[in-house]
Amino acid sequence: DAKTTQPNSMESNEEEPVHLPCNHSTISGTDYIHWYRQLPSQGPEYVIHGLTSNVNNRMASLAIAEDRKSSTLILHRATLRDAAVYYCILDRGSTLGRLYFGRGTQLTVWP
Amino acid sequence: EADIYQTPRYLVIGTGKKITLECSQTMGHDKMYWYQQDPGMELHLIHYSYGVNSTEKGDLSSESTVSRIRTEHFPLTLESARPSHTSQYLCASSESGSFSGANVLTFGAGSRLTVL
Repeated sequence: DAKTTQPNSMESNEEEPVHLPCNHSTISGTDYIHWYRQLPSQGPEYVIHGLTSNVNNRMASLAIAEDRKSSTLILHRATLRDAAVYYCILDRGSTLGRLYFGRGTQLTVWP
Repeated sequence: EADIYQTPRYLVIGTGKKITLECSQTMGHDKMYWYQQDPGMELHLIHYSYGVNSTEKGDLSSESTVSRIRTEHFPLTLESARPSHTSQYLCASSESGSFSGANVLTFGAGSRLTVL
């Protein structure tokens, strides 16, 4: 499985933007970039995904580098409820959900 | 509101007991998965299913077994639990043939198993 590299932890203050980076230098042309997050004592929750173009939804924005070897999840205004582990994952579509979850980035949000 | 349900949420049992972790989804998804996660560690895929009567082993070897007799139900069974089975077990599902071609997973809240 193609793997990604993320910082172990990041911190932010409440109501500030947060940029969570992810490197995926071995990405192939048909790999989707997914982001999930996991709150304490919960299962992971889907956040956003993209292929080539930047994507926006109600939760976050996904900025994808032109060479697709890196991406950034953007939380526009962090809240205390955004404190979670964020996973950046490559999805090969045809592998029918065999997504590899690394250790992710632990985001701490300070009031 | 959760569309995928796992029971029990927490289970503490003695060594040698047989246990079944239940997972049900109401979304009509064809694909279902079981992941195993230890505290602070990555998720490991242990079983998956493409549909009824289809089950496959995942990337991490597991002594557990699964069945898929109904689309909505994907139980996981341990015939004889051991302390090494202590972990969190997460069930997920996704839709076949999604419009975008990507696999978007919906997870349950997890079942935390402790074997004494």
